[in-house]
Amino acid sequence: DTAVSQTPKYLVTQMGNDKSIKCEQNLGHDTMYWYKQDSKKFLKIMFSYNNKELIINETVPNRFSPKSPDKAHLNLHINSLELGDSAVYFCASSPRPKEGTQYFGPGTRLTVL
Amino acid sequence: AQSVSQHNHHVILSEAASLELGCNYSYGGTVNLFWYVQYPGQHLQLLLKYFSGDPLVKGIKGFEAEFIKSKFSFNLRKPSVQWSDTAEYFCAVNPYSGAGSYQLTFGKGTKLSVIP
Repeated sequence: DTAVSQTPKYLVTQMGNDKSIKCEQNLGHDTMYWYKQDSKKFLKIMFSYNNKELIINETVPNRFSPKSPDKAHLNLHINSLELGDSAVYFCASSPRPKEGTQYFGPGTRLTVL
Repeated sequence: AQSVSQHNHHVILSEAASLELGCNYSYGGTVNLFWYVQYPGQHLQLLLKYFSGDPLVKGIKGFEAEFIKSKFSFNLRKPSVQWSDTAEYFCAVNPYSGAGSYQLTFGKGTKLSVIP
């Protein structure tokens, strides 16, 4: 009965590789997000999708590409991984984006060697 | 652009001590305000939120926060902390507008360490 789930939980990879992180929510929310949390715990939004359409695309390298096959899923694909991409990536969803309450997934800790 | 400031980077308290974590935001319009908590190794969970009405809001686990509009503040309080409150606490703002983006802006977080 997990509300927002992410896979994998841990991801260790070499520089230059391409990897994907998957996110699924079973809450029936229309809006989903990707956040990056750096080593200092600072949380920064990367992308937001509403009903499969991109509505926020903060300044992130175009090596990052979100894909939403349906409104319950928002995957994050990263090309040509760099050391600076090491972080914890959180997926979240929201029933009412204007209101602001968000439900977060457990996070994916990405380590780039 | 709106910003959220959390004044304390790391707070260390003994059990049973009272807690107050500061949060100020810079946005002149109507805002929705949140405190999220992240326990070690876990995801963010909503602690409490303010939309309108009584400026003193109560959340889970005995936490409360007070919205002071004139000070652009939304400080988090708890009368008596427990060791299990050790976590990272994030203040967030979601300024309401009729159009535009609906993103939460987070503060940089305050790490709370409670010593048994």
